[in-house]
Amino acid sequence: DTAVSQTPKYLVTQMGNDKSIKCEQNLGHDTMYWYKQDSKKFLKIMFSYNNKELIINETVPNRFSPKSPDKAHLNLHINSLELGDSAVYFCASSQEGTPQETQYFGPGTRLLVL
Amino acid sequence: AQKITQTQPGMFVQEKEAVTLDCTYDTSDPSYGLFWYKQPSSGEMIFLIYQGSYDQQNATEGRYSLNFQKARKSANLVISASQLGDSAMYFCAMREGRAAGNKLTFGGGTRVLVKP
Repeated sequence: DTAVSQTPKYLVTQMGNDKSIKCEQNLGHDTMYWYKQDSKKFLKIMFSYNNKELIINETVPNRFSPKSPDKAHLNLHINSLELGDSAVYFCASSQEGTPQETQYFGPGTRLLVL
Repeated sequence: AQKITQTQPGMFVQEKEAVTLDCTYDTSDPSYGLFWYKQPSSGEMIFLIYQGSYDQQNATEGRYSLNFQKARKSANLVISASQLGDSAMYFCAMREGRAAGNKLTFGGGTRVLVKP
């Protein structure tokens, strides 16, 4: 009964490859996010979607392409992976209009680019 | 300028004692929310507590309380009766405004180590 799930949990790949990370939430939320946590633990927004519409694209290279097939899913595809893409990627979700609009995070995907 | 500042990179606390984690923020938006998250060594981000900018009272959730001083733009987290399981990174975050899809802006985090 995981609320926000991500697959895979770990991803080790070579530079130049293309990879995808999947995110699903079963909370019935209408908004989903991708955050990147770097090696110094700093967390930064990448994208947000509300009802499958892109809301935030925070100066992320266009090698990163999010896709939201429905409100419960937000996938992240990364082309031509670079060493600097190594990080932990977190998916999160929230419900617009609730008093707090708390964002609930998935377990993270640890990406290592060699 | 940093929107969220956590000045304590790391701290030790004795088991069963209280600890205060500092967080100051900067915004000109009158409507905002402040959040604290815990990240244990296993890596997940766990929501702890929320304080809205219009809330009159300080938020509390079990052993967690938020010391909200709006005029000073601070939102310090107090953990009472520390337990070994409280050892983790703690992040303060802010959401500005109420538009759909608004991001959280995070501070740099404070690492807490609870000593037995």
